Amino acid sequence: EAGVAQSPRYKIIEKRQSVAFWCNPISGHATLYWYQQILGQGPKLLIQFQNNGVVDDSQLPKDRFSAERLKGVDSTLKIQPAKLEDSAVYLCASSLVPGVNTEAFFGQGTRLTVV
Amino acid sequence: RKEVEQDPGPFNVPEGATVAFNCTYSNSASQSFFWYRQDCRKEPKLLMSVYSSGNEDGRFTAQLNRASQYISLLIRDSKLSDSATYLCVVPRGWTDKLIFGTGTRLQVFP
Repeated sequence: EAGVAQSPRYKIIEKRQSVAFWCNPISGHATLYWYQQILGQGPKLLIQFQNNGVVDDSQLPKDRFSAERLKGVDSTLKIQPAKLEDSAVYLCASSLVPGVNTEAFFGQGTRLTVV
Repeated sequence: RKEVEQDPGPFNVPEGATVAFNCTYSNSASQSFFWYRQDCRKEPKLLMSVYSSGNEDGRFTAQLNRASQYISLLIRDSKLSDSATYLCVVPRGWTDKLIFGTGTRLQVFP
C-alpha cells in the first residue's frame, strides 16, 4: 500500500518569499492533517481536513499560511510571505476516519529553511 | 497546563535496561491514546495504541491511569535500535485532533 507522499523533500527560501508544499494522502483516507515540527519539539497541528472541509485551523497563522484540499484528496499548504521562524519540517498525515481507533500515517515531510 | 506533557529527556540507558516514560494529559474526556516513535530526521510512526487500562506488545507495555490522567510506556530489555524519540499523542474531541507531546528522547548505549 502506498504511503503518504509529500513534495518537495527540502526547500530553502529567503524570508518574505512564498513557498508551497504538496501532499497526497493514502487512498481512501478522509482525514488529512498538516503539522509543523520545529527542531526539538513535537509536531504542532496547523490544520485538519475532513474530506475537503476544514474541521480545525485554530493554530494556522492565517495572515501568512493557507491550505486547501480540493476534491477531498490532495492538499497544498502555502506560506506567503515566509519568516525566519517558519523554518521547520512540515508533516502531512492522513487517517481513515475519525474514531477511537484512528491511526495517523505520516509522510516523510518537507524540511523548510528560511534564510 | 499543557494539553500533553512529557519529560524531554534525554534518557541514556545501557542495553538490556528497563526504561519508562510518563505522559500527562489535561483533557479528562480523551478516550484513546497513542505512542509514536520518531527516528532522527524521519516521520513519526505508530508504536502502540492504548484504549483501556493498558496494552502490551513484546518488550513494550503501555499503561493508562485515567484517575491521574497519565499514560506510561515501559521498554524492557532495551536494544540499541530503540534509540529514538517517543511521542505521546492524545486525540481531542470528536474531530480526533491529534495533540502531540514534545517527545521523550531515548538513547541506548552498548
